[in-house]
Amino acid sequence: RKEVEQDPGPFNVPEGATVAFNCTYSNSASQSFFWYRQDCRKEPKLLMSVYSSGNEDGRFTAQLNRASQYISLLIRDSKLSDSATYLCVVTGNQGGKLIFGQGTELSVKP
Amino acid sequence: DAGVIQSPRHEVTEMGQEVTLRCKPISGHNSLFWYRQTMMRGLELLIYFNNNVPIDDSGMPEDRFSAKMPNASFSTLKIQPSEPRDSAVYFCASSSQGAGGRETQYFGPGTRLLVL
Repeated sequence: RKEVEQDPGPFNVPEGATVAFNCTYSNSASQSFFWYRQDCRKEPKLLMSVYSSGNEDGRFTAQLNRASQYISLLIRDSKLSDSATYLCVVTGNQGGKLIFGQGTELSVKP
Repeated sequence: DAGVIQSPRHEVTEMGQEVTLRCKPISGHNSLFWYRQTMMRGLELLIYFNNNVPIDDSGMPEDRFSAKMPNASFSTLKIQPSEPRDSAVYFCASSSQGAGGRETQYFGPGTRLLVL
């Protein structure tokens, strides 16, 4: 079983749609959680950290359920510029090590 | 401000040749990470350094791979001899790592390696 699992997609949605990505992780000792975004042929960039209480950044909302070892990302009112691959990321046993999911590809169409 | 700098950006080489990838982390960052990304395996951590000391190299595929960080502003990842299955995008990332691991990792643009 992979340490971080995501639905690879692709998710093809129209502009303005709401889309949700899910992620599960296997290491119950993981302490930190993130969503990264990677555009085609570019490097990954931090989109947002994920906190236990849930957090929102504009159109983006992240949720964490430690009991179920489940992380989600909700994108509201999707834009063409949201088209990218979204990577679910958790820390490993050693604090600095990040474990990346395979990523979920999102394509927003006009 | 300059981000993480990697060179070369692209490398095409023949099987058996030595390949050296270079990375300059963001000034002031004390942690440096080398990743490899392929379609099949996604993004994998190869090795990371904290204060120039290798902390975890469990992701290094085999003895053909080696990494060094002689000072806080430079690191190399070497593959010798290279094989076609090493073809991938190699990313370097850096962060100002304290306890807890929440510090953001900033990635360089990557080196696209093709081994023929």
